[in-house]
Amino acid sequence: DTAVSQTPKYLVTQMGNDKSIKCEQNLGHDTMYWYKQDSKKFLKIMFSYNNKELIINETVPNRFSPKSPDKAHLNLHINSLELGDSAVYFCASSQFGASGRADTQYFGPGTRLTVL
Amino acid sequence: AQSVTQLGSHVSVSEGALVLLRCNYSSSVPPYLFWYVQYPNQGLQLLLKYTSAATLVKGINGFEAEFKKSETSFHLTKPSAHMSDAAEYFCAVSEAGNQFYFGTGTSLTVIP
Repeated sequence: DTAVSQTPKYLVTQMGNDKSIKCEQNLGHDTMYWYKQDSKKFLKIMFSYNNKELIINETVPNRFSPKSPDKAHLNLHINSLELGDSAVYFCASSQFGASGRADTQYFGPGTRLTVL
Repeated sequence: AQSVTQLGSHVSVSEGALVLLRCNYSSSVPPYLFWYVQYPNQGLQLLLKYTSAATLVKGINGFEAEFKKSETSFHLTKPSAHMSDAAEYFCAVSEAGNQFYFGTGTSLTVIP
């Protein structure tokens, strides 16, 4: 039973197109995240949602818009794709602990986005 | 603000040798600390974590890490490297306010 799943695994598209990546977690966690990993493996957090509310919105172009229809899902929609958007996008989830800190993040398998 | 520093973006060890991957963090309050491993074309997988219990933490695949508050360090070690340990390793910290910070990663190469 997959804990955090993402679709699609690979996404190849042309510049200027709009695309979406879907994420689902079945761990019952209350917080979900989107990360971007570049070719040098650097992980950059993009968004974080806690109980369907946006709590972290790092400096990313407003072409990127997350949507959380419920606690188990966090989708990422990207408008007007650019060459620089090519990367691997990871979804993750965690449970916000009683200590006020996020506990272990569980990652999805990633979506490799290639913009031509 | 929290920061995580991983010294050495690339580390090479011989098979059977000690693995030591370094991680330092900056925080006025001891955070939760994590090590993750990423194999090629896969997502990140938790190796081990520290959440203010025992300072020496044992993880999967024979890895362990020691939290040293005085040095603000959480270095990852394994006594004997295997070829299958070749991967990217990330140190991460979690502090109050749901902030999660990852280091820049260390690529481990194991030489046969």
